[in-house]
Amino acid sequence: NAGVTQTPKFQVLKTGQSMTLQCAQDMNHNSMYWYRQDPGMGLRLIYYSASEGTTDKGEVPNGYNVSRLNKREFSLRLESAAPSQTSVYFCASTPGKHTQYFGPGTRLTVL
Amino acid sequence: DQQVKQNSPSLSVQEGRISILNCDYTNSMFDYFLWYKKYPAEGPTFLISISSIKDKNEDGRFTVFLNKSAKHLSLHIVPSQPGDSAVYFCAADSGSSNTGKLIFGQGTTLQVKP
Repeated sequence: NAGVTQTPKFQVLKTGQSMTLQCAQDMNHNSMYWYRQDPGMGLRLIYYSASEGTTDKGEVPNGYNVSRLNKREFSLRLESAAPSQTSVYFCASTPGKHTQYFGPGTRLTVL
Repeated sequence: DQQVKQNSPSLSVQEGRISILNCDYTNSMFDYFLWYKKYPAEGPTFLISISSIKDKNEDGRFTVFLNKSAKHLSLHIVPSQPGDSAVYFCAADSGSSNTGKLIFGQGTTLQVKP
């Protein structure tokens, strides 16, 4: 039981490049989330998927898109990366309410 | 506007003493609160939680207190240990939908000195 896994662990992009961050959970959880963590800002919600087949914007969705591929997988795409998207990205899942389980994170640098 | 605030960016405590981490919130609709702990280069891990119908929840060395009238919660760690050194986030669940969304504070970095 791996919990929540994220790939890649690290990534460096040039401004304007695109990439997809992958997230998968093996806990049969319904809801999944993407956060970014920046110094002094805590964890801010980018997008979430309350259940398979649905996605919704969070607090900071601009510049991102998501896909809930199936119940296990929830990907985050940057179509045209910008330096302001340099951050640590966390994926999380929950079976229903309250407690969320986090992946190890992806550290992204946009030059 | 920040609905969940942790006004102390850092806290330093001697091993064996009590650590008190504070969190304030503005939305009276929040009905559940959680504390997460985060080590460098790892994801946050759940530590302890409390429902709004309670004012205290205890789990070993960790106790969370909720003061609804003041919209304030605190995490007490007694006794503090060097392994407790980490970033602590408080989070709130509005409970108004079934999305499971949490709103996080900015985090407090705790350093426990041996």
